[in-house]
Amino acid sequence: AQSVAQPEDQVNVAEGNPLTVKCTYSVSGNPYLFWYVQYPNRGLQFLLKYITGDNLVKGSYGFEAEFNKSQTSFHLKKPSALVSDSALYFCAVSMNTGFQKLVFGTGTRLLVSP
Amino acid sequence: NAGVTQTPKFRILKIGQSMTLQCTQDMNHNYMYWYRQDPGMGLKLIYYSVGAGITDKGEVPNGYNVSRSTTEDFPLRLELAAPSQTSVYFCASGRGEGSYGYTFGSGTRLTVV
Repeated sequence: AQSVAQPEDQVNVAEGNPLTVKCTYSVSGNPYLFWYVQYPNRGLQFLLKYITGDNLVKGSYGFEAEFNKSQTSFHLKKPSALVSDSALYFCAVSMNTGFQKLVFGTGTRLLVSP
Repeated sequence: NAGVTQTPKFRILKIGQSMTLQCTQDMNHNYMYWYRQDPGMGLKLIYYSVGAGITDKGEVPNGYNVSRSTTEDFPLRLELAAPSQTSVYFCASGRGEGSYGYTFGSGTRLTVV
């Protein structure tokens, strides 16, 4: 069965500093990996995904993520954090065979201070 | 382009009452999903559907029922509300391909007292 781990409940970073939100996954085959963001009282919004090809994926709002197969990780990064990036971030995985069923991590709250 | 629409946005129920959470999508997606979100627990899959007339249980189906009579609609029914069902509920839809991802509704915040 597929699973996702987000080891940090919260990440604190100062505005202008780089940020990393960690995600590791466990699947029996090749994964599709996603990051979603949730702002207060809103639904989840798609940020970026890894399907195949280049291990560095670029997404919305200046975010990027690096797929590392040997470490089974898909960490979310941004070179310079903004206060407006403060939100709840979810990593998710699905398989590239069979029908799509996303499995989500428990979420990481990102707090960017001015 | 509405995407996925959920109603109501907020609801307070008394223990034992029933209600239906509505979900409609206008993207002609065959696949639809219901999740609940509890603090620190992430999203748990309640039920999903791979097309009209076809539904199946997810991780936490107890206390809920669903139906899928049309491609657009996927209502979630709570028959006898319990405090443990206090949560935020999200509906999502997708094309069923692993690479596609989901489109989420804005959620329904339900409190059972």
